[in-house]
Amino acid sequence: QRQLQESGPGLVKPSQTLSLTCTFSGGSSSSNDWAWIRQPPGKGLEWIGSINYSGETYYSVSLKSRVSMSIDRSKKQFSLKLNSVTAADTAVYYCAEYDYDNLGSNWFDPWGQGTLVTVSS
Amino acid sequence: QSVVTQPPSASGTPGQRVTISCSGSSSNIGSNYVYWYQQLPGTAPKLLIYKSDLRPSGVTDRFSGSKSGAAASLAISGLRSDDEADYYCAVWDGSLNSWVFGGGTKLTVL
Repeated sequence: QRQLQESGPGLVKPSQTLSLTCTFSGGSSSSNDWAWIRQPPGKGLEWIGSINYSGETYYSVSLKSRVSMSIDRSKKQFSLKLNSVTAADTAVYYCAEYDYDNLGSNWFDPWGQGTLVTVSS
Repeated sequence: QSVVTQPPSASGTPGQRVTISCSGSSSNIGSNYVYWYQQLPGTAPKLLIYKSDLRPSGVTDRFSGSKSGAAASLAISGLRSDDEADYYCAVWDGSLNSWVFGGGTKLTVL
């Protein structure tokens, strides 16, 4: 059973860069795609972007100018960087893995437990 | 404002059947599968329905999904108190090249 765990600073100052890492363990496949999704306090879910095993990335149009993702296969980790943060970036950040069927459909499962990042001076 | 719309709240009494809607457009629901996630208070979302109407193993058959045109719905039958949660629909939008989530529906069991 695949498990995902987010880690990183819980507090980031405005204008600085938010950096998070997701470590994956368990499961039978090491060639998957992953995503970052966030949820501001009391609000809904927002897809930030995705990265595949080869390191190809796909970002949300609204965040594309400030986001970068990378993967370290040897450490079984992938990372998120969001620069020039403001209070509006305060949210619980989730990493998730894509599950697939043999017809090419995909969806988010499982998810990490999430980590709250607060942007404040 | 999400491009996929859900009612902000829904409610029912134990044993009742409740339906949550998810309305989109031809670029998302109208041309792609819909996925439903359940988020219990203080926890991460959990996959409830995939490919519009399929249940993962371990999900009770009290939950069912359907899709017609640019709209989808989640039905919960035999409502229980532990069904109280936020429910989100998710779909790929081919125009935005992005996953989009509905705004979420808070289900209250009265």
